[in-house]
This record gives sequence, structure tokens and C-alpha cells, in this order.
Amino acid sequence: AQSVTQLDSHVSVSEGTPVLLRCNYSSSYSPSLFWYVQHPNKGLQLLLKYTSAATLVKGINGFEAEFKKSETSFHLTKPSAHMSDAAEYFCVVTGRWGKLQFGAGTQVVVTP
Amino acid sequence: EAGVTQFPSHSVIEKGQTVTLRCDPISGHDNLYWYRRVMGKEIKFLLHFVKESKQDESGMPNNRFLAERTGGTYSTLKVQPAELEDSGVYFCASSSRDRYSYEQYFGPGTRLTVT
Repeated sequence: AQSVTQLDSHVSVSEGTPVLLRCNYSSSYSPSLFWYVQHPNKGLQLLLKYTSAATLVKGINGFEAEFKKSETSFHLTKPSAHMSDAAEYFCVVTGRWGKLQFGAGTQVVVTP
Repeated sequence: EAGVTQFPSHSVIEKGQTVTLRCDPISGHDNLYWYRRVMGKEIKFLLHFVKESKQDESGMPNNRFLAERTGGTYSTLKVQPAELEDSGVYFCASSSRDRYSYEQYFGPGTRLTVT
């Protein structure tokens, strides 16, 4: 069985400072992992994906994530937050036949 | 290329009524998924179509929910009769056939409110 745990339900950062969103996963096989973002009143958008290639994955809008098998983690980072990064972020693992298992989400607030 | 579309964007119905949600996947995508987010909870898988066949419907909450995908194109999700706990946002996603591990493209969701 697969599961993900997002360690923070809310993260508040100042504009221009780094962002770190933490995610731990559990999987009975080599997983595919994703980060999705949902801006207010918008659909879910893929930020980046890990599919057993490079462990450091670069995504859109300056985000990146590192797959660490030994720590079963897939944390999302961005060096410098922008006001437009305010949104809800989901760590996701694939299950059987591509079924997605979502984390509970992390709400990011960016202050000026 | 058009993305995944869902209709309606919002629906408000009374308990006991019927509602049908529609999802149009990206053209050529054989995989179609339905997910739901109930207020305050995680986004949960409902079911998965490959073309017109149900591959996995393990997430369907009960027999008040009926999903169809006639002809392997668009899909409908009917709730009959609706209950208060069915309120939430229903997402549809599609992906290409070749790799189940590839990303799913999501629609904007349908916000269902049952009063």
C-alpha cells in the first residue's frame, strides 16, 4: 500500500525567503511521486514529478524536490518565495494502475 | 490542445435530488480518473476508466454513485439520491494509455453542495 504524509498543514513565509514543504511517503515498491499545486479557484497543476530517474527533480516556477529513498522523503523547495506562490500544495504517490494517493495538503501563505 | 473540462463548475441541490457531473478528458487519453475532496479531508480516489471499461472502482463510496464512460470519451458521475455528506469538490483527471506512472491532467473540478 502507498501513502504520503505532509508534515505541515500550513506554512507562512516572507516574500523572497526560501520555501520548504515536507513530505514523507510509504510504498511497497519503487514509487512515482509528484507535487501538485492548487491556486484559489483553479484546478490542480503538476509542479514536478519523480519517476526513478534523477533524484533531484526540477519543476515549474523555480520549484524543485529531492527524492531520498533512505529517508522516504520527497521535500519540495524553492529558493525565493513569490507572492504568486500562495496556494495549496499536494504531495502525491502513485498506486496501482496510476491511482493517485494524495497527502493532506500544505497551505502556503506568502507575506510581503 | 484543450485541457480536461468539467461541467458544471458549481451545483447546489437538495438532499434526495439527483445530480450528474460531466468530465471531458484530453483528446486521446484512454485513462480517466475521478477524485473527490470532501471539506477538510484529503483528495480521495473514486474510480478509474480505461477507455470505456472500469479498471478500478474501489473508491466509490456506495451504490448511490454511478459512473459511466460511453464510447470511451467523456464520462459522467451521477449521484442519486444525494446526501449531505456528498458535498465536496469532484475532480476529473486524464492521462495517456502508455504509462500509468505519468502525470494526470486535472480539470478545474465541480463543487457540489447538498443542502
